[in-house]
Amino acid sequence: AQSVSQHNHHVILSEAASLELGCNYSYGGTVNLFWYVQYPGQHLQLLLKYFSGDPLVKGIKGFEAEFIKSKFSFNLRKPSVQWSDTAEYFCAVTVYGGATNKLIFGTGTLLAVQP
Amino acid sequence: EPEVTQTPSHQVTQMGQEVILRCVPISNHLYFYWYRQILGQKVEFLVSFYNNEISEKSEIFDDQFSVERPDGSNFTLKIRSTKLEDSAMYFCASTPGTATYEQYFGPGTRLTVT
Repeated sequence: AQSVSQHNHHVILSEAASLELGCNYSYGGTVNLFWYVQYPGQHLQLLLKYFSGDPLVKGIKGFEAEFIKSKFSFNLRKPSVQWSDTAEYFCAVTVYGGATNKLIFGTGTLLAVQP
Repeated sequence: EPEVTQTPSHQVTQMGQEVILRCVPISNHLYFYWYRQILGQKVEFLVSFYNNEISEKSEIFDDQFSVERPDGSNFTLKIRSTKLEDSAMYFCASTPGTATYEQYFGPGTRLTVT
């Protein structure tokens, strides 16, 4: 069965620090990859997605992620975090060509940015 | 910008009672989903729905669960006889298609079973 691992459960950073959140998935075939963010009291929102093409994808609010197929990874990065980036971040995959495109989520990483 | 909406935001019920969680997907979307997140755990897929029928369901989605699209706008999740372990945040999502489309999530309904 497919699964997604997020290694960092809780990250605390100061403003302007760089961020990298790890995400690995297990599936031998083609996948679509996503990062969702959930700000306090709000619903899940898409940060960025990868379907094909350039493995470095840019999303909203200065986030980017790199798909490394050989490592089954899709790490999220931001060069300089802000207090407003405090949120929970979820990596998710769908199996390409799957019947319903259900999302398989990682456990999430809670990011706290200190001013 | 169109949004997925869910009601109620918080539902408290006693064990054994039936609950219906309601969702209004984005109007031109065709695929609908329910996910849940037990406190401290990952978001888990429950069921997907297309063309008025279930297209996929997880092991969690047993006979106690059912989904329905009773009219052109609502998408409901019914839990027939709630258990304590059904306490979770339930998210509805919708998408216009499957291949290259993102899923748009509602704000969730927090279900507390006492």
